[in-house]
This record gives sequence, structure tokens and C-alpha cells, in this order.
Amino acid sequence: DTGVSQDPRHKITKRGQNVTFRCDPISEHNRLYWYRQTLGQGPEFLTYFQNEAQLEKSRLLSDRFSAERPKGSFSTLEIQRTEQGDSAMYLCASSQQWNTEAFFGQGTRLTVV
Amino acid sequence: TQLLEQSPQFLSIQEGENLTVYCNSSSVFSSLQWYRQEPGEGPVLLVTVVTGGEVKKLKRLTFQFGDARKDSSLHITAAQTGDTGLYLCAGLSSGGSYIPTFGRGTSLIVHP
Repeated sequence: DTGVSQDPRHKITKRGQNVTFRCDPISEHNRLYWYRQTLGQGPEFLTYFQNEAQLEKSRLLSDRFSAERPKGSFSTLEIQRTEQGDSAMYLCASSQQWNTEAFFGQGTRLTVV
Repeated sequence: TQLLEQSPQFLSIQEGENLTVYCNSSSVFSSLQWYRQEPGEGPVLLVTVVTGGEVKKLKRLTFQFGDARKDSSLHITAAQTGDTGLYLCAGLSSGGSYIPTFGRGTSLIVHP
């Protein structure tokens, strides 16, 4: 296992299109986090899962955003009807329960044109 | 929402110089983490500090957690070009969710 894997690394889409990103966490990690990072800012928390349960969602996560982790392993983040303001780096991280060390993937860079 | 303020926002120094980066909040955290992020990559955890007043050293990097667990500092001695990157602090609250809440980061450039 080489760490947290995100796919794709880069995505360019037209405004109004839907996009889906995938995150594969470290295999023994039961916690999975999604963050969004824009230029000049630190990562902003979006949501997190413990196993397949989505336990917390940020107010930043509008109804156009949905995240799933159906089998408690990989997760997907879907953005519907993308807007230019959605352009950002979307980061996924994973950790073990009761362990504060989170491991981040390389991110998916989304550009909405 | 707990707010973490980092200063300075940007730092440009020559190789060999020392520097200190600060992370401050009005909130108390159960622990605080420092990450380093390179362009186009995800953040990488450097250290977690848990106890008020705690000091941890990682080679040329010294991390300190404030006595009241509201602030932290990162000191780099004799900076090298390989230290260039975005340094992020993240606070973790008590309660078991362990969700890191990040500051805006300090962008460090070390010139040869």
C-alpha cells in the first residue's frame, strides 16, 4: 500500500457539468476526510466518514455536493452543476480511529471553465 | 468555527537563516499539528503536539505548543532550499472526531 490515492489528478470541466472524484484510502484506515483548498488558503473541511457512515458535513458542502463511501473503503465526491467557484484542489485524507495522524492524497485539481 | 491565524503569511529568506512561524487561536485545542505542503501535492504531517508547553524537535525544526494550548510556533534553524513549501498548522478538538482544522498557512521560500 503506497498511501492515499486520488483520481483523477486533474479535471477540466465546463460550467454546468457534473464531475466525480475518487479517493482510495490506506487500506486499514476506517476514517476518510474530504477537504477543499483554494489558492492561498489552507484546506477547508468538507466532510468525513467513519467506515461507511458520513458523520459530519461542513456548511461549505452545498446541496450540489455529495459524498459516498458505500463499502467503507473507497469514497467518491460528486459535484453537480459545477460553477466557476468550485475550481479548487480537492484533497482526501485517511486515518485510523483514535489516531490523530491523517495521511493526505495528492489531490484532484478541478478547473471549471 | 475555530479560527487559526498563521503569521507571517509569506516569508522569503536566504539559505542559512533562522525563522519562526506562528499559529494562534482564541480556542483551546486538544492537540495541534504542523504539516508541510509542496505545490501540487497534499499536506504531509510533520508533528503533533499534545501537552501544553510541549516542545518537539525534528532535526532543524523545533515545534512548541503554548501553555494554554491555544497557540504554537515552528522554528527552523539554518534553513535550506529543501525547506521551501507551505507550512500549515491544524488544530484538533476534543470529542473524538479528530478533524484537523487548518490555518491559511505560511508560504516559505528559501533562496540559495
